[in-house]
Amino acid sequence: DAKTTQPPSMDCAEGRAANLPCNHSTISGNEYVYWYRQIHSQGPQYIIHGLKNNETNEMASLIITEDRKSSTLILPHATLRDTAVYYCIVSDNYGQNFVFGPGTRLSVLP
Amino acid sequence: DGGITQSPKYLFRKEGQNVTLSCEQNLNHDAMYWYRQDPGQGLRLIYYSQIVNDFQKGDIAEGYSVSREKKESFPLTVTSAQKNPTAFYLCASSIWGVSPLHFGNGTRLTVT
Repeated sequence: DAKTTQPPSMDCAEGRAANLPCNHSTISGNEYVYWYRQIHSQGPQYIIHGLKNNETNEMASLIITEDRKSSTLILPHATLRDTAVYYCIVSDNYGQNFVFGPGTRLSVLP
Repeated sequence: DGGITQSPKYLFRKEGQNVTLSCEQNLNHDAMYWYRQDPGQGLRLIYYSQIVNDFQKGDIAEGYSVSREKKESFPLTVTSAQKNPTAFYLCASSIWGVSPLHFGNGTRLTVT
């Protein structure tokens, strides 16, 4: 079973920030928070990951709460091409421990 | 460019036939994985391999088999024993113990 809980769907207006939440209340000290996204009929694409500090790259920002029980993925200026299913995963970095739940289906609206 | 190649993109088979899905990577990754995805659902792990000539069952290995004779290749055979083989199959690779996973673009298998 997935160790994370995400809303099944969200909408966001094009050009606005998309904030995708994830709860992971049972996360262990050695587990990272990973985010992937999957555009229809393609393989999942890695976005970002972090342990306890906030992280930013060219695609997104990851905000992790101080108690590490939840996190938020931020797409600062959503475009139509960001429409996808977003997966939040907690893992100790070993690939066989990645559990992909149903994710959040983000729809970016014009 | 480095990456993972899955072929073919679409595959059709008759019930009762075995079918082999190809996965090749040129990322020099030690670990490779096979996942299955059904409509509207997440991914489920079928098999994974940390190193050449070694592989482990994932959560749903029944009806599937794999081999890992070369570092670059990790083919998956869907046997006639798999009761519901129609699905989207995804291959991934990583440096063992240092993720993230890198995925191919999948093979959609339809069995009728």
